Amino acid sequence: KQEVTQIPAALSVPEGENLVLNCSFTDSAIYNLQWFRQDPGKGLTSLLLIQSSQREQTSGRLNASLDKSSGRSTLYIAASQPGDSATYLCAVDTGRRALTFGSGTRLQVQP
Amino acid sequence: NAGVTQTPKFRVLKTGQSMTLLCAQDMNHEYMYWYRQDPGMGLRLIHYSVGEGTTAKGEVPDGYNVSRLKKQNFLLGLESAAPSQTSVYFCASSSGLFGSTGELFFGEGSRLTVL
Repeated sequence: KQEVTQIPAALSVPEGENLVLNCSFTDSAIYNLQWFRQDPGKGLTSLLLIQSSQREQTSGRLNASLDKSSGRSTLYIAASQPGDSATYLCAVDTGRRALTFGSGTRLQVQP
Repeated sequence: NAGVTQTPKFRVLKTGQSMTLLCAQDMNHEYMYWYRQDPGMGLRLIHYSVGEGTTAKGEVPDGYNVSRLKKQNFLLGLESAAPSQTSVYFCASSSGLFGSTGELFFGEGSRLTVL
């Protein structure tokens, strides 16, 4: 059974800092991995999708990498801003008719 | 651009009552999903649909039923609510299965409390 773990569960950083969020998964046979953002009381917003054949994806200040062999993905946020404060979730698609989500990392960027 | 709309946003039920959550999307997506989100457990798939008139079970389907009579609507029903069904329910839709094309859109959630 695929398990997805995100560490740390919570993170607080000062504005302007570069930071890395981690996602690990137990079954490396994945189709893709996605990163989402969730604001309090809101739904999820797709940030980045990495196909299994890709190593990384970039969107603005966000860069996500994927290492299938080690079962790890990282989300790098450059020059963090208070508006980046949210919970970040990763999810993997193993083709078993469901995405498997991690529990998320709650990020707070202090002004 | 409404995207994915869920109603109601909040509901309190007594054990044994029934209710239906409605999800509507205006993006002409084929695929729709119902998830539940519980503290410390991530999102878990309840049921999903790959097109009008079709539904399939997800990871945690027990106690729930769904229907997709129209392409834009996906209904989640609880026939006899139990306290274990207290959760936040999210509907999502996509053009590719499970967002494989990178387009997975979520509603804002429906918070259900079963007393």
